[in-house]
Amino acid sequence: QSALTQPASVSGSPGQSITISCTGTSSDVGGYNHVSWYQQHPGKAPKFIIYDVSNRPSGVSNRFSGSKSGNTASLTISGLQAEDEADYYCSSYTSSTTWVFGGGTKLTVL
Amino acid sequence: QVLLVETGGGVVQPGRSLRLSCATSGFTFTTYGLHWVRQAPGKGLEWVAIIWHDGSKGYYADSVKGRFTISRDNSRNTVFLQMNSLRAEDTATYYCARDDGLNPTYWGQGTLVTVSS
Repeated sequence: QSALTQPASVSGSPGQSITISCTGTSSDVGGYNHVSWYQQHPGKAPKFIIYDVSNRPSGVSNRFSGSKSGNTASLTISGLQAEDEADYYCSSYTSSTTWVFGGGTKLTVL
Repeated sequence: QVLLVETGGGVVQPGRSLRLSCATSGFTFTTYGLHWVRQAPGKGLEWVAIIWHDGSKGYYADSVKGRFTISRDNSRNTVFLQMNSLRAEDTATYYCARDDGLNPTYWGQGTLVTVSS
């Protein structure tokens, strides 16, 4: 199972919006709505911020939103804040009853 | 609150075995599947395995199939990962995570496994 494709890095200034893409195939992202997004700060465990494409768990800021079109899912962070600087990963359920992660995207807040 | 605590990591020689544990609390254990996910130093996340809520099925990544076994003890609210025939490329921090509707959600803090002679 090949990893989902994410950009290696994105950046934005405080207050701006950024979008991170996550591209898979019809056997994973395109075939199921079980796409999740995670935020990981250095030395910390991943924290889930989006599940089932666009649902936010309680306690996660509404500045984080998710969407999907075809084989590509996206995470948008609006009103960028310094604390958003972290690595972001997507994951998807697959047709083989396995899960696959993206390679990760490093977000830099300028 | 949902809590997952992994233990059992350490330094092990290539070809040897190690068993990781993940003790959970704060939720009805028998209702949820549990994943193991790993992260090699400085690298991204890699899914390893899942066990269904009732322990009836386990699924594995190709990279560990035949070498790793996931199991659970519903009386102790604990999930295990038995790792055999360990290789250098298995060196990673291993996380357990709860499954919510086919999404890995709540994660533990991880336990580091180093495979080295």
